[in-house]
Amino acid sequence: SQQGEEDPQALSIQEGENATMNCSYKTSINNLQWYRQNSGRGLVHLILIRSNEREKHSGRLRVTLDTSKKSSSLLITASRAADTASYFCASYNQGGKLIFGQGTELSVKP
Amino acid sequence: GAGVSQSPSNKVTEKGKDVELRCDPISGHTALYWYRQSLGQGLEFLIYFQGNSAPDKSGLPSDRFSAERTGGSVSTLTIQRTQQEDSAVYLCASSPRTGLSYEQYFGPGTRLTVT
Repeated sequence: SQQGEEDPQALSIQEGENATMNCSYKTSINNLQWYRQNSGRGLVHLILIRSNEREKHSGRLRVTLDTSKKSSSLLITASRAADTASYFCASYNQGGKLIFGQGTELSVKP
Repeated sequence: GAGVSQSPSNKVTEKGKDVELRCDPISGHTALYWYRQSLGQGLEFLIYFQGNSAPDKSGLPSDRFSAERTGGSVSTLTIQRTQQEDSAVYLCASSPRTGLSYEQYFGPGTRLTVT
């Protein structure tokens, strides 16, 4: 079973707009991570937020975490065409395995 | 430094043949993971290795799948008697260790097509 579930499954926006992707998870976590994937190949780690953090920033990325709702969001501000990719949230289950959600496919149109 | 590498990048094989996929993790990383990703889907955990401990094979879909890691470094994922449903991108990742606090570094993947 998936530890993380993202929504929306697909998101299409214009360049310059903000993109928000949400992730829900099932069990308690130590941290939650977001990854980006281009063209169905290797994933790149974007940001990690710990369970005792509520918000974290990295450049144009802003991640929030609400452990009471078991949810996280990834906000990309001032989006660019190059941000077009699939975005996955992931968290470790109790067995130490990093479990990924199904991902949000983001399309940023110039 | 060098990242995680995988070979081959693409593999086309006939149904029933065996295939071997290779992963070279980042030097010094003790944890190594294999995932499978079908078209348009999320990542499916297959197996992970941590140092000299017994691997966690709980994600392997059938006994046709096996993996080994030699010398705590290079890993090979073997699929015997391939089936069409095995077609997917196989991703390898490494991290400094297992545990609940580490990001994983992914290779570019091997795209396997079984005809």
